[in-house]
Amino acid sequence: DVKVTQSSRYLVKRTGEKVFLECVQDMDHENMFWYRQDPGLGLRLIYFSYDVKMKEKGDIPEGYSVSREKKERFSLILESASTNQTSMYLCASSSPEGWNEQFFGPGTRLTVL
Amino acid sequence: ILNVEQSPQSLHVQEGDSTNFTCSFPSSNFYALHWYRWETAKSPEALFVMTLNGDEKKKGRISATLNTKEGYSYLYIKGSQPEDSATYLCAPNAGGTSYGKLTFGQGTILTVHP
Repeated sequence: DVKVTQSSRYLVKRTGEKVFLECVQDMDHENMFWYRQDPGLGLRLIYFSYDVKMKEKGDIPEGYSVSREKKERFSLILESASTNQTSMYLCASSSPEGWNEQFFGPGTRLTVL
Repeated sequence: ILNVEQSPQSLHVQEGDSTNFTCSFPSSNFYALHWYRWETAKSPEALFVMTLNGDEKKKGRISATLNTKEGYSYLYIKGSQPEDSATYLCAPNAGGTSYGKLTFGQGTILTVHP
């Protein structure tokens, strides 16, 4: 069964902390994505990666960076967390062989105090 | 940024009603159109991937049509049930060098009242 997992369901951090959100997929997918979801704003793409060590900015990359050292793992990094980064973060993966259908993880609810 | 619009934003219907929502997207560089269902406290799940003009897909009581020339897709739910309550998202994919990037609409929130 297809699976995307995220390291935490809930996370509480302080302003200025460095935050790592981890995502792992077991489907050997080439593409991986990080989104944030906020009420009234839908799913917004932060960064995506189409291969190991490759990354592309999405629509809202400011304040974030990513790392993809292995095909199955895609990390989202908040270098210095701020309160406006309080949100639900969703990871997804896809393959061009499946019309790029995306499979989502359960999400991480991040609160920055 | 691709402009994807979904309407209505939210919808309240009674159990047994049939309903439909719209997804509008730029018709140029079209590759595929995805529909997802997102239930509360769960992850978004794919409903349909539509690729051809005039395409129609069906899964149980839910069906979808696609018009790539004018840039819209309709999602229909026949005889809505409370378990259909969810946010329905559409997302076009331009293919090619977009590497599977989807641009999601804001979604239509459906609430089905028993």
